[in-house]
Parts: sequence; structure tokens; C-alpha cells
Amino acid sequence: AQSVSQHNHHVILSEAASLELGCNYSYGGTVNLFWYVQYPGQHLQLLLKYFSGDPLVKGIKGFEAEFIKSKFSFNLRKPSVQWSDTAEYFCAVNPQTGANNLFFGTGTRLTVIP
Amino acid sequence: DSGVTQTPKHLITATGQRVTLRCSPRSGDLSVYWYQQSLDQGLQFLIQYYNGEERAKGNILERFSAQQFPDLHSELNLSSLELGDSALYFCASSVSGTRGVEQYFGPGTRLTVT
Repeated sequence: AQSVSQHNHHVILSEAASLELGCNYSYGGTVNLFWYVQYPGQHLQLLLKYFSGDPLVKGIKGFEAEFIKSKFSFNLRKPSVQWSDTAEYFCAVNPQTGANNLFFGTGTRLTVIP
Repeated sequence: DSGVTQTPKHLITATGQRVTLRCSPRSGDLSVYWYQQSLDQGLQFLIQYYNGEERAKGNILERFSAQQFPDLHSELNLSSLELGDSALYFCASSVSGTRGVEQYFGPGTRLTVT
């Protein structure tokens, strides 16, 4: 079945540590890829997106993600996390269906310890 | 604040009942999406409307229905509610229904079925 996988369910880091959250998808064809963040008690916000071109995309708040087509992956990275990055992170895929609906991974909860 | 509003914030109801969730998209957005976030299923796409017409359908149960009105607000109707319908229901909007267009999410309606 087509799916989006986020293997890390809960990640705990100290401030200034580097972050990498994995995302793999199983949709074929050309896909649009997204990372969303949900801060406690808030709505989902777009961190970054990849449609085409440079596979290394930069988003808001110092986040970046790398698209590796051969691995069907779109991992999220940040060199140095802050306490304010504590949130839930969702990877999402918009498959090559013509519609704009998103398929989400199960999310990764990030806790940053001051 | 994404500009997408959802009412009510919380809803508690009993099994077998029917509820209506309301979403107002951002000003100028023509497309509305509904997503369900539950502990066991994660974030799932339910249905998309564009300018009053159904555009795409996901894992929406037959007991659920939606519509988008001429003023572009949307309602999600959930009937014959079961305990498993307890979830956070998000609405998102985008300027068009075109693939790849960014979606802006509302704060969600938390539905508890007892």
C-alpha cells in the first residue's frame, strides 16, 4: 500500500544538538513533498516544501530537508535545535494524482531539553 | 493565525448522534480540505472541495458528508457517531485546487464521542 513513513515517533534532544527526522514514502511518479510542524496547542504550519529542482530545500526557522529520489526519502534537518522547536513534525506527500490532497506520516514528537 | 477558522473548538456528544463542523477558509481561498487526526490512524485526508464542487475524496466514511457553500465556507457532517470517530478534525484551505498549492490549516475541532 502507498504510504508515508516516519520511523522516529519521539525524539528527545538537548538544546544545540543537531536534528535529523526521517521520512520515506512509497508513492511512484512525481511527488510534491512537505514538512509541517504543529506546536503545542496550535495549528499545522508549513516548514518547507519540495516540488522540483535543487533537492536541498531550506525552510523557515533554520530547517532544511533533502530529497533523495533513489531512496524515496525527504529527511528534515536542523544543525542546532532550540527549546522552542519542541513540537510535532509531520512529513506529507502530494502524489501525482492531479488533486492537491496530502498524505501524512504519523508524525514525530520532538522534545528539546533546555 | 492561518486565517482559517473552525467552529466549534470542542464538541462532546454521544454515540449515535449527528454533528456539524464548520470551516471558513482564508479570504480569497477557493478550495477547502478536511482531515481527521486520530491516535490510531494519524492524519488522514477526508475530502476536498473547490468552489462548491467536490474535487477529491479520501478515506471518508459513508456516515460522513461535506459541502461547500456559495460563500465558500464548508461544513462536515458526521452522523451515527461511534466512539472511534473521536478525533481532531482539521480544515485547510488553498487559493486554488491545483496540485502543489500550499494549504493553510485551521486550529481544528476536537470531537469526543462518549
